[in-house]
Amino acid sequence: GIQVEQSPPDLILQEGANSTLRCNFSDSVNNLQWFHQNPWGQLINLFYIPSGTKQNGRLSATTVATERYSLLYISSSQTTDSGVYFCAVEQGSGTASKLTFGTGTRLQVTL
Amino acid sequence: DAGITQSPRHKVTETGTPVTLRCHQTENHRYMYWYRQDPGHGLRLIHYSYGVKDTDKGEVSDGYSVSRSKTEDFLLTLESATSSQTSVYFCAISDYHRGGYEQYFGPGTRLTVT
Repeated sequence: GIQVEQSPPDLILQEGANSTLRCNFSDSVNNLQWFHQNPWGQLINLFYIPSGTKQNGRLSATTVATERYSLLYISSSQTTDSGVYFCAVEQGSGTASKLTFGTGTRLQVTL
Repeated sequence: DAGITQSPRHKVTETGTPVTLRCHQTENHRYMYWYRQDPGHGLRLIHYSYGVKDTDKGEVSDGYSVSRSKTEDFLLTLESATSSQTSVYFCAISDYHRGGYEQYFGPGTRLTVT
């Protein structure tokens, strides 16, 4: 099956710093999503981005499908950004949305 | 909020006992999923459903069964729980939004098998 690798595995930032999280995948995909799992365990959908660039406030994401990677940018980080960020992909038809997850990047934002 | 609830939220059970986890959604979504989350593995798909009585296996389906007799409920059953099934279980739905099928997750159920 498809392999999904995320880097770095852990990241510590001071509040206000910027960061870039990377997701590499081993085959072509038709669905790619980024999720944030907060310290209480809740999973929040951030982006649906199988290709191109999207922005939502301080967060933006870019997927270069031909080169099989996606980047999540966090600008002016805040303590509420702490948690684990997951990339997930699907190769199939896209309607059943059977996602394969990476192992995540754990982000800690300190004061 | 995709209107997804899970019950129970926490459960401790003994090896060999049957366990059923419930996922309930209020917005008539066709696709529903069960994942487990373990350290070092991210989330892994157990089973999914594409309609009432229509289910299929995911990546880690051994030891689990599912049922969907109503659109709003998707049940995950461990017929005879083992310690390796200690995990956090998440239910999800899929909804067409922002140009594609996105998944939205319930709050999770923490299951401990002793």
